[in-house]
Amino acid sequence: DARVTQTPRHKVTEMGQEVTMRCQPILGHNTVFWYRQTMMQGLELLAYFRNRAPLDDSGMPKDRFSAEMPDATLATLKIQPSEPRDSAVYFCASGLDSNYGYTFGSGTRLTVV
Amino acid sequence: AQKITQTQPGMFVQEKEAVTLDCTYDTSDQSYGLFWYKQPSSGEMIFLIYQGSYDEQNATEGRYSLNFQKARKSANLVISASQLGDSAMYFCAMREYTGTYKYIFGTGTRLKVLA
Repeated sequence: DARVTQTPRHKVTEMGQEVTMRCQPILGHNTVFWYRQTMMQGLELLAYFRNRAPLDDSGMPKDRFSAEMPDATLATLKIQPSEPRDSAVYFCASGLDSNYGYTFGSGTRLTVV
Repeated sequence: AQKITQTQPGMFVQEKEAVTLDCTYDTSDQSYGLFWYKQPSSGEMIFLIYQGSYDEQNATEGRYSLNFQKARKSANLVISASQLGDSAMYFCAMREYTGTYKYIFGTGTRLKVLA
């Protein structure tokens, strides 16, 4: 089965450090999402790309977060500087805006201490 | 206002019984899609079922069916013949088009299947 690959699976970092999370979407998928999941807020949409172009990043704190797709096989989410409140599981998902839902990666569990 | 509302934070069901997980949504769009995802304790998100706003038949996928009541804006997930492996968080999601696609999740329902 085709998979969305996210790295790293776990990341512990100190406050103030830069964090980069990577996502390899499924080949042929033209839509990529970044979500953040916390107990308090649930699943929050951070950014949304179609054909590598950012369509919506209104859910992302612009001062410290940035999302890019340098090519069709890689999406990145960066946090600089990281803060303890950024601790969450970050999911990448890819799809075709079709009726078949989106395929999620296994997530990156980020802990900022 | 919440776009997707899942009012049941937790549910229990006996193995082999059917269970309904509630989801109501709010949109002014005529064209939208409704999805259900399962998140087991391992953390991955698994797509289960899709219902389009223009679909006249309720969607079914194996033991999963979606009870779509458009006028009431509800899209409840029905799991028949529950299995222990169905224990997980279940999320309802809506895709609506507002210039770009928006994909919004509910807060989830934690289902526990009892042996």
